Amino acid sequence: EAGVAQSPRYKIIEKRQSVAFWCNPISGHATLYWYQQILGQGPKLLIQFQNNGVVDDSQLPKDRFSAERLKGVDSTLKIQPAKLEDSAVYLCASSSQRGPYNEQFFGPGTRLTVL
Amino acid sequence: AQSVAQPEDQVNVAEGNPLTVKCTYSVSGNPYLFWYVQYPNRGLQFLLKYITGDNLVKGSYGFEAEFNKSQTSFHLKKPSALVSDSALYFCAVRDSGGFQKLVFGTGTRLLVSP
Repeated sequence: EAGVAQSPRYKIIEKRQSVAFWCNPISGHATLYWYQQILGQGPKLLIQFQNNGVVDDSQLPKDRFSAERLKGVDSTLKIQPAKLEDSAVYLCASSSQRGPYNEQFFGPGTRLTVL
Repeated sequence: AQSVAQPEDQVNVAEGNPLTVKCTYSVSGNPYLFWYVQYPNRGLQFLLKYITGDNLVKGSYGFEAEFNKSQTSFHLKKPSALVSDSALYFCAVRDSGGFQKLVFGTGTRLLVSP
């Protein structure tokens, strides 16, 4: 079974530029998550999708971050414009069912550096 | 709101010795607790979880964790450490209600020396 795929793996941009990350979850997984992991910290949930609907985006900085999952499969996270403090690893994860019991499967992440 | 604390930034242990990585949690309802491991340049990998039942949970790669409700702890353990266990370990907690999100600790780096 293929794991969670993410691209690109690394991205370097200047502040105020825009950037987009792509995630393809494990086939059949209805729930998709985007996390931000700043160096030295644990992952922080940005947004959670159930199929193509948003169930939690309370920690997403909506003035600059956006995410979509149009067909309930793959997802895109966008930052526009980027700030220095957005430098982090962006992790995508998926799980097979809504609810607390099932573990999340993580992709390798995209390391973003904002200069 | 739920939270977890990992009081040690780093744990050092010699290969073959037992290891413990500490985690304490705070939730308003029943806790769902998880341990994940992160190797360099890779995503997090699930190790084990506690939902209900036996306080000693067994997981992948020989790891286990002990749930202690009175001490609100969920320490990760392994009887005999391997050099290949060296990685970053994250404890996470999820409240039992609704769409409660998974909240991660700050991580503990485990260094196993030969």
